[in-house]
Order: sequence, then structure tokens, then C-alpha cells
Amino acid sequence: SAVISQKPSRDICQRGTSLTIQCQVDSQVTMMFWYRQQPGQSLTLIATANQGSEATYESGFVIDKFPISRPNLTFSTLTVSNMSPEDSSIYLCSVAGLAGYNEQFFGPGTRLTVL
Amino acid sequence: GENVEQHPSTLSVQEGDSAVIKCTYSDSASNYFPWYKQELGKGPQLIIDIRSNVGEKKDQRIAVTLNKTAKHFSLHITETQPEDSAVYFCAASWGGTYKYIFGTGTRLKVLA
Repeated sequence: SAVISQKPSRDICQRGTSLTIQCQVDSQVTMMFWYRQQPGQSLTLIATANQGSEATYESGFVIDKFPISRPNLTFSTLTVSNMSPEDSSIYLCSVAGLAGYNEQFFGPGTRLTVL
Repeated sequence: GENVEQHPSTLSVQEGDSAVIKCTYSDSASNYFPWYKQELGKGPQLIIDIRSNVGEKKDQRIAVTLNKTAKHFSLHITETQPEDSAVYFCAASWGGTYKYIFGTGTRLKVLA
């Protein structure tokens, strides 16, 4: 497995502002993902963070709203832009590709509340 | 696209009893099926997984079974303990994509 940290762990933001969430892994990984988990719901994949190239977004998610960076094999950021109360969720990063296997390991999550 | 259904949504069992959670997937190309446990305020933790070339896998008190013909897989927890109380998610993945489709989750309560 891997040790994954996220910053911040939680935040309360005003509508119309943006928040950048950081994900740091203690080892180099092939794949990094960002998920959204709305209160009491399952996990929905936002995008795959590709190292050195643009992220690959899932249907319903766009780069202007959720810009993602991945400058190296251990770090990624997700920005939630122009926030509204509907963006209140837990945002999770995950990693995969350790030792060539497709198990995903998740960070602790960032709990975002938008007022 | 792939769809994963999970049942039940909530499950209450007495301490020491067994718990079973079932998932059904739609895409026959799916070949990897992990199970996650999510405790309150934490990220999902991988607890067991199974690949399509295996019918059953055990790890102490937990086991997973896979029926490829029926396209369903199940999580079995024996001798449940209060610390097993959490939300459990199944998922399905296919090929070498690393991408998962998650089930809707099961909230398990183990009553002392």
C-alpha cells in the first residue's frame, strides 16, 4: 500500500470562491484519481490525473470547474472553482499501479462545506 | 457502461453473527472486484479483493465469493464485532484501466 495525505482535511468556504486540495503520496505511483463523495452517497470519479499531461475527465465533470495538476509521480492538486453549496462534498484522491497491480488506495479525504 | 448494484443499503446484526453483502455487475468484461470499508470521517480502506479467475478468497473473518456466470459477488463477514460497524462499498474494474465503478454502499451496524 501507500501512505496518502490530503490537505486541507476540511474547509468551509463562501460561494463563488475556489479551493485547491493537495494530495501527496509517499512513493511514486502510476495512477492518481480524484473522486467526489456527496453526503451519504457513493464515490463518483471526477478525473484521472495524468503526470505531464492534461487530466482525463469523466462525464459530467469539466476542466473549468475542476482543474487538476499533476507535476510529478507523488503529488496532485484538485481545484474546485466558483463554488456553490452543491459542491459541498468529501473529495478523495486515490492512487493505483503500485507494483503493477490495480488496487486503489485512498487518502483520508477533504470535507468541503460551501455556504 | 458498467453498473454495479449493491444490497442491502443497511444491515444490522448481533455481535457474533455473520453479515453478507451482495453486489451485481453488468459488464462481463469486469475482472477485478475490490471491497472497501469506510469508517466515519475516513477514506475508504481496501479490505479484500478478488479477480475473475478465482471463485473465493478468504482473509481471517472476511471472505469474498464471485459467480461470473450470474455476474455477482458477495462479501461475507463472520463473527462480527462492533468495530466492523462501517459503510462497505463494492466496486468493479475491467481490463487494465484501473478505473472503478462503485456500488451504492451498505451501512453495517453490529449490535453489542
